[in-house]
Order: sequence, then structure tokens, then C-alpha cells
Amino acid sequence: DAGVIQSPRHEVTEMGQEVTLRCKPISGHNSLFWYRQTMMRGLELLIYFNNNVPIDDSGMPEDRFSAKMPNASFSTLKIQPSEPRDSAVYFCASSFGTSVIYEQYFGPGTRLTVT
Amino acid sequence: TQLLEQSPQFLSIQEGENLTVYCNSSSVFSSLQWYRQEPGEGPVLLVTVVTGGEVKKLKRLTFQFGDARKDSSLHITAAQPGDTGLYLCAGEDRDDKIIFGKGTRLHILP
Repeated sequence: DAGVIQSPRHEVTEMGQEVTLRCKPISGHNSLFWYRQTMMRGLELLIYFNNNVPIDDSGMPEDRFSAKMPNASFSTLKIQPSEPRDSAVYFCASSFGTSVIYEQYFGPGTRLTVT
Repeated sequence: TQLLEQSPQFLSIQEGENLTVYCNSSSVFSSLQWYRQEPGEGPVLLVTVVTGGEVKKLKRLTFQFGDARKDSSLHITAAQPGDTGLYLCAGEDRDDKIIFGKGTRLHILP
């Protein structure tokens, strides 16, 4: 298996533009997580899905952020409109369950820069 | 809000030395995990500890879960340059949401 796949790996955009980050989880995993990592705040859980259904989106910072999982093999995280403070590395992870007991497999991340 | 505090934030030591990094909380966790993250990559799970007082060994790495399940430590014996990275601890808060500490950035000098 290729592991969790994220695209793009790097994204540079101007303030106000829409940004869409993509994730393909490991086949067979039923849980998917989106994280944001910055030096100041560390790794923060934004939202997670179980069987394609959003379970907890309390970590999504604002209404400008939205996430979807239309099927078991694809998820998107969208920021509209983007702001400079959204600059961070965004990680997608997948696992066999939502509990910390299950190992999460992280993708390589998307480094987002908003100017 | 439950928090995981990691210390030290940064640690730079010579190859061959021993070190210990810590993950502390004022709250009880049912289990804790340790991850290592290398530059440009996502975190990779090292271990999960679930029982108070539990000790797990992974080659030169020794992980301990506190008796009260509020803290954990990671001890590395004879550190090597390949141990360089960001070490993160993670646990489930009382709302069953996974939270991470901010990590200890470890640099092993050859």
C-alpha cells in the first residue's frame, strides 16, 4: 500500500483565494483525521470522520474551513477565503478506528502558505 | 481543557549520551501514545501505553506510563543521529478527542 496520499505537497496562494487540500486514506481504514501543525500551536485535530461521516468538527477554527468525505477513498479540506494566519502544514491521517488505541497513519502533509 | 505538556521543548546532545523527555498532564488519560516526526514527514507511531506503571521497550527506547496515568516518559539510551526528530505524545481527552502535546525537538550531534 502506498500509505496516506495528500495533494498538493505545497500550496502558495494569495489572501482571499479558495484552497482545497486532498487526501486519499489507506484502503480498508474507516477513520480519517485532518490536522493542522504550526510552531506556535503544535499539532491540532481539526475534524475526523468515521465511515465517511463527520464525527467531531469542534477543532475547525472558523466557518471558512469545511471538510467532506464523499466516499471511503477520498476527503477534502477547503478554506474559503484563505487568510495569512491559515499558513501551516496540514496533515491527513487514517486508521481502523477513532480511538487512540488504533494506530494513525499520517500522510506527508501539505505545506500551505497564504500571502 | 485537558492538556499534554511536553518537556523539554528542545534538546541537543552528543551521540552516545542518554536522555529522557517527559509528557505531563493534570488529567488522567486512559492511554498515551508516542510519535516521532522527521522533517517534511508526518508523525509515525512508536508505542501505545495503556496500563498505569506500564513500561515498554523498543530497542534503545524505553517508555513508561505513570502509575496515576497522568504522565509518561521516553528514555533513549546511547542516542544516535538517527534519533533526531520531533517527539510527540498524544492521548484521548474526556470527550474522546485525540490531543497532542507540542513535542520535544531532539537533535543528536554526531
